[in-house]
Amino acid sequence: KQEVTQIPAALSVPEGENLVLNCSFTDSAIYNLQWFRQDPGKGLTSLLLIQSSQREQTSGRLNASLDKSSGRSTLYIAASQPGDSATYLCAVAYSGGGADGLTFGKGTHLIIQP
Amino acid sequence: GAVVSQHPSRVICKSGTSVKIECRSLDFQATTMFWYRQFPKKSLMLMATSNEGSKATYEQGVEKDKFLINHASLTLSTLTVTSAHPEDSSFYICSAPDRSENTIYFGEGSWLTVV
Repeated sequence: KQEVTQIPAALSVPEGENLVLNCSFTDSAIYNLQWFRQDPGKGLTSLLLIQSSQREQTSGRLNASLDKSSGRSTLYIAASQPGDSATYLCAVAYSGGGADGLTFGKGTHLIIQP
Repeated sequence: GAVVSQHPSRVICKSGTSVKIECRSLDFQATTMFWYRQFPKKSLMLMATSNEGSKATYEQGVEKDKFLINHASLTLSTLTVTSAHPEDSSFYICSAPDRSENTIYFGEGSWLTVV
């Protein structure tokens, strides 16, 4: 059974800091990995998608890396802002187009202090 | 705008009643849709795979008679929670893969509270 683990479970930092969220997965035969953001009472917002052949993806202040062989991904958030406060979820797909659904981690609850 | 629409976003129902949640793909056809459930402080867990024109595939531990899934068309899947109990209170979210874009889209989610 594939497992996705996210560390830390919760993180609180002052505004302006750079931070790293970690995700690890037990089965390295992934198709792709996604990072999502979930705001309280809301659905999911896809942040970055990394294909298994890629090493990183960037979008604005966000950078996600993938080390497939070691089963790890990191989400780097630069110059954090209070608006970044949310739960960040890592999810892995083991087949193309999410044909078998995604396996999610439990998330990292992030609080950026003004 | 949203490419997968989920309705209702919030619903409160009484114990013993049934409630239906709809998931629609707006700009593409989805032969497969997925239903997830998320309990507080837990990860999203795949409940079942909805297949257009055939029976849904349920994950281990998910009662198929309690969580009825119907994929009536290429753009609509419904999840019906039958004889709801307070422990069914959760966040339910659907997703649909757009194979032409090799992308999976999520609905906005539905908060179910059973009182």
